[in-house]
Amino acid sequence: GAVVSQHPSWVICKSGTSVKIECRSLDFQATTMFWYRQFPKQSLMLMATSNEGSKATYEQGVEKDKFLINHASLTLSTLTVTSAHPEDSSFYICSARLQFPYEQYFGPGTRLTVT
Amino acid sequence: GENVEQHPSTLSVQEGDSAVIKCTYSDSASNYFPWYKQELGKGPQLIIDIRSNVGEKKDQRIAVTLNKTAKHFSLHITETQPEDSAVYFCAPFGNEKLTFGTGTRLTIIP
Repeated sequence: GAVVSQHPSWVICKSGTSVKIECRSLDFQATTMFWYRQFPKQSLMLMATSNEGSKATYEQGVEKDKFLINHASLTLSTLTVTSAHPEDSSFYICSARLQFPYEQYFGPGTRLTVT
Repeated sequence: GENVEQHPSTLSVQEGDSAVIKCTYSDSASNYFPWYKQELGKGPQLIIDIRSNVGEKKDQRIAVTLNKTAKHFSLHITETQPEDSAVYFCAPFGNEKLTFGTGTRLTIIP
């Protein structure tokens, strides 16, 4: 299957600071990328969908000014958590979709801890 | 939006036995039905998928069956092995996105 990487795999930051997470599709071009959030022992919740060169579409309840998404190229998307707070601590997972036929591959995830 | 339910939430089976996980969904327009396996601390891994024009698909020990009329699809794992222990998610595709089920924690007892 296709490979998606994420960096960093884990990060600890202080409350009030910003953190950037990178997501790359290594062996394919992804016109659409997704960002998910997963709390312990829970399912994945979609935060936003981004298409290369366009503004991201955020799910209801997700603050677009807090979670900045940039999809600058067909292989790179970034998520920036701005002014992080302890409640933002979570497992963030990116995903990239083949243009057709819908197969979607996930990165290894980034564990964010805000102290 | 899509309402997805997955059963059971936990499942323990003896090594070598079979495991079946069922997923029901609400959106009749859903047309792509993947199953993902997630190990602790890792991202989900696509293990098998099926499209709406097919009733069953098999890949070695793993199979997926789809009943579009009843709006459910199931994951079947035969000859289970310890490395099959993980959390499994169904994620039907509809309205341009995957909607994840609540997950099933599968434990294989040696």
